[in-house]
Amino acid sequence: QVQLQQWGAGLLKPSETLSLTCAVYGGSFSGYYWGWIRQPPGKGLEWIGGINHSGSTNYNPSLKSRVTTSVDTSKNQFSLKLSSLTAADTATYYCAKSPGYPGGFDIWGQGTLVTVSS
Amino acid sequence: SYVLTQPPSVSVAPGKTARISCGGNNIERKSVHWYQQKPGQAPVVVIYYDTDRPSGIPERFSGSNSGNTATLTISRVEVGDEADYYCQVWDSGSDHVLFGGGTKLTVL
Repeated sequence: QVQLQQWGAGLLKPSETLSLTCAVYGGSFSGYYWGWIRQPPGKGLEWIGGINHSGSTNYNPSLKSRVTTSVDTSKNQFSLKLSSLTAADTATYYCAKSPGYPGGFDIWGQGTLVTVSS
Repeated sequence: SYVLTQPPSVSVAPGKTARISCGGNNIERKSVHWYQQKPGQAPVVVIYYDTDRPSGIPERFSGSNSGNTATLTISRVEVGDEADYYCQVWDSGSDHVLFGGGTKLTVL
């Protein structure tokens, strides 16, 4: 059974860059879409973007200018960078696995609360 | 851009049937996935591809998709079903993933 374990800094200052990594355990890395979703406190889910095993990416238009995703197939890991942070980026960030279009996300990471505060 | 609309809240008594809608233009042409999220936990998929139920999800959970509305139905609702529920699609035109705003299910 595939499991996702994510990590990254939980407290950042405005203008800094968020960096999160998600490791894939117990299954194949190839052939899937690896996504990032966030959830501000008390609010709903927002898709950030994602990447497939070959490195093809897609991003939420509202965040596209600040988002970068990447994969390291040698380590079965994928990563998220979100730049120019503001308080509005405070949220729990999740990594998740999907079979790709038009599928949903069947496996999720545990989530990382990222707080942006001076 | 494509928009998914869910009611903010649905209330139901234990043992009754809850129906949570997800509206979108010609949503029947898309594959709809449903997630259950309990406080402090990551979302869990309860229905994918409109009607399929992952292993481990009770048969009380079912889905349908017709016209402009997809529906998650929970039969014989239990107190443990109280959670937030989200629908999700993948918009082929834009290659973007979309979530509905979420529905809080309250079991009275």
